[in-house]
Amino acid sequence: AQKVTQAQTEISVVEKEDVTLDCVYETRDTTYYLFWYKQPPSGELVFLIRRNSFDEQNEISGRYSWNFQKSTSSFNFTITASQVVDSAVYFCALSGYQTGFQKLVFGTGTRLLVSP
Amino acid sequence: DTGVSQDPRHKITKRGQNVTFRCDPISEHNRLYWYRQTLGQGPEFLTYFQNEAQLEKSRLLSDRFSAERPKGSFSTLEIQRTEQGDSAMYLCASSQPRDSEDTQYFGPGTRLTVL
Repeated sequence: AQKVTQAQTEISVVEKEDVTLDCVYETRDTTYYLFWYKQPPSGELVFLIRRNSFDEQNEISGRYSWNFQKSTSSFNFTITASQVVDSAVYFCALSGYQTGFQKLVFGTGTRLLVSP
Repeated sequence: DTGVSQDPRHKITKRGQNVTFRCDPISEHNRLYWYRQTLGQGPEFLTYFQNEAQLEKSRLLSDRFSAERPKGSFSTLEIQRTEQGDSAMYLCASSQPRDSEDTQYFGPGTRLTVL
């Protein structure tokens, strides 16, 4: 079965600290996609990144970076120099052939609280 | 592009009543999805449409739930005889597959409270 585990329920940091959100996934598919979404208090899920299983290159976008390691089935997300506006719940998600590429399987999310 | 919109944003109803939610996808997107999110959990897939065809339904979608997308544009999700366990956020998403890209973009959700 496909599964996403986000073991960190809640993380609190002070502004300007770096923070890493962990995501571990399980799948028997060889072709799959991994995602990160941000859910601010308003409730809307905001798309951050999509990565396919054949592309293990790390990605950086401004203060955000992602580390994809197939050997450990992890797709971790780092925010550098965190800001108060980064406070939100962050979800990691997976889609693959086994459950249908159109169906996202989400983790339980990590709540990030950035205080001034 | 305007984003995915959902209406209403909040709905409070009494147990046993029927409720209907609406989702308007991003205009050129031909795929539309419904998810349900309960407190402290990630969203769970309910169903999805390609144009007007409903192609997959989760077993979470009991016979009290029905979704439609009659003209391949907006979609409605109806819950009949609501139960307290139906209280959740109902999220809609849309996508337009291009090459190997098929990213789902979500709306703000409809929060349902069943008293």
